[in-house]
Amino acid sequence: NAGVTQTPKFRVLKTGQSMTLLCAQDMNHEYMYWYRQDPGMGLRLIHYSVGEGTTAKGEVPDGYNVSRLKKQNFLLGLESAAPSQTSVYFCASSYSAGAIYGYTFGSGTRLTVV
Amino acid sequence: GQQLNQSPQSMFIQEGEDVSMNCTSSSIFNTWLWYKQDPGEGPVLLIALYKAGELTSNGRLTAQFGITRKDSFLNISASIPSDVGIYFCAGLNYGGSQGNLIFGKGTKLSVKP
Repeated sequence: NAGVTQTPKFRVLKTGQSMTLLCAQDMNHEYMYWYRQDPGMGLRLIHYSVGEGTTAKGEVPDGYNVSRLKKQNFLLGLESAAPSQTSVYFCASSYSAGAIYGYTFGSGTRLTVV
Repeated sequence: GQQLNQSPQSMFIQEGEDVSMNCTSSSIFNTWLWYKQDPGEGPVLLIALYKAGELTSNGRLTAQFGITRKDSFLNISASIPSDVGIYFCAGLNYGGSQGNLIFGKGTKLSVKP
């Protein structure tokens, strides 16, 4: 019953460094999403994928890239981290486009860029 | 784009009190969902609503899908300390360009000092 697993849970980066956040789901879900959560801003969609090999931009995609080479994995990359990317990042997955069962979320990655 | 207005932004609860929060939109939604986020965790689905006027309960939680399809309400009866957290509403319009959930900014429940 792993659901959605995010790694790492915490990370501190220096400005300009790069990193990849990994999201893995074991529910055979087609759709996967990356959100960032900032105080008072709620959940904002960065990128999403409607199936293996597909990606699409969400509300705040700038500074991020994603890949979905395998159905169960969705990677979020920061090529050159900036302090404005300090946030908590959540991955989510769903069987379809949000209907029926909603999204299943991971427990988050807390990223600090100094 | 579509936006959800969730209110109140925050509230303090005393054990035993009833709590109400709501979500409104200028657009029609086909599905309303309510999530709770505990500190340090991801949001967890509480209740899902699929028909206008629908009233659904999950223990002490009751949610309603507004008749106009532009709003939804969540009530928590007889609150307990473990109810603290952030509650998010989310709406889905199947006819939307992305078909993704739209989230409100959350209502933060804290215990009265």
